[in-house]
Amino acid sequence: DIQMTQSPSSLSASVGDRVTITCQASQDISNYLNWYQQKPGKAPKLLIYDASNLETGVPSRFSGSGSGTDFTFTISSLQPEDIATYYCQQYDNLLFTFGGGTKVEIK
Amino acid sequence: QVQLVQSGAEVKKPGASVKVSCKASGYTFTSYDINWVRQATGQGLEWMGWMNPNSGNTGYAQKFQGRVTMTRNTSISTAYMELSSLRSEDTAVYYCARGHDYSNGAFDIWGQGTMVTVSS
Repeated sequence: DIQMTQSPSSLSASVGDRVTITCQASQDISNYLNWYQQKPGKAPKLLIYDASNLETGVPSRFSGSGSGTDFTFTISSLQPEDIATYYCQQYDNLLFTFGGGTKVEIK
Repeated sequence: QVQLVQSGAEVKKPGASVKVSCKASGYTFTSYDINWVRQATGQGLEWMGWMNPNSGNTGYAQKFQGRVTMTRNTSISTAYMELSSLRSEDTAVYYCARGHDYSNGAFDIWGQGTMVTVSS
């Protein structure tokens, strides 16, 4: 099974800061990598699919990049409503794995 | 609007089975895969498996092979996930999620979650 290593596990940043989260796959997954936001008590919400495609309706301050084994998720200017846990998720040959999550807090 | 509505919370004893339903509306049920993902309290997301509602084909995470069964009733646009031989570690919120319009690997619509508690 493909393992996803997500880092950091938590971070604290100020409003307006640029925030970066990374995800590393244990083997080449091409661009089959998605990013989700989850707020407490809520279902996850898809933000980025296939590594760099912004889901419809998602603010443009969210972006993703990478291919192969190394991926990056960026919030260009952190807003108070972005407080949440973010997860990467890979899919390969109809099997799926989530990263461990990154909890984002306001400093 | 497009939505998935799940059945209500369940409390089960160890060794029992639980069956969670996920009713789709606002789109053609048979056109998109349904996945199941669970989350223990304070923990991360764990993918359990997928089902193609059109064919009934399924694929399960190795961890759940032999214990999970995913089925559907196309006449009422509803998917089901049954987990057997429950143990305390299965206490979690269970989500159904639809496969994305343009990406087979992403989940674009999620149910509200169903809390399953396993306790003696």
